[in-house]
Amino acid sequence: NAGVMQNPRHLVRRRGQEARLRCSPMKGHSHVYWYRQLPEEGLKFMVYLQKENIIDESGMPKERFSAEFPKEGPSILRIQQVVRGDSAAYFCASSPDRTLYNEQFFGPGTRLTVL
Amino acid sequence: EDKVVQSPLSLVVHEGDTVTLNCSYEVTNFRSLLWYKQEKKAPTFLFMLTSSGIEKKSGRLSSILDKKELFSILNITATQTGDSAVYLCAPDFGNEKLTFGTGTRLTIIP
Repeated sequence: NAGVMQNPRHLVRRRGQEARLRCSPMKGHSHVYWYRQLPEEGLKFMVYLQKENIIDESGMPKERFSAEFPKEGPSILRIQQVVRGDSAAYFCASSPDRTLYNEQFFGPGTRLTVL
Repeated sequence: EDKVVQSPLSLVVHEGDTVTLNCSYEVTNFRSLLWYKQEKKAPTFLFMLTSSGIEKKSGRLSSILDKKELFSILNITATQTGDSAVYLCAPDFGNEKLTFGTGTRLTIIP
């Protein structure tokens, strides 16, 4: 029973390039959340998606960042024209189809380094 | 704005000691509170608390929630070096996202 999978685990980009981060939720989970963790800081919510729908993107920067969770395939977090301040660990979490409580399970994260 | 405060920010103890980690929150619409352990990788789920006064236990770890006073504690008894990590609490304010505290960095000295 595989957990949440993320790839790549490490990603290095130069300023101005694009970064694509992928997340496959646990089997049976249709809710995906993306969090960002800056060095020495806590986890901050970015976006919550269900299949083909963005439910809440209140934590995502308005420019350069986008997320999707297509009907088939993993969820993608896309960062265009990366800057040094985007260097962080990006974690994806998933939760089961709607239950009373929001128990989220995290993937191993993608560590993005912008040179 | 929903707010989460964890204390202490860091804690250094000797192996075998017992520690208590605190999490307090200000909330608009509380639904549950989750505890995670984070080593140099993904947060690992520990507990989810939904009801006041009911202790959840897993080995040497236990946790309890007080919904009236708006806090939770995480206890670790007979600590081991493998317990060294950052412990995060995350209330679920019923808006589908978890709001994380800054965490308590626990260091266990052999």
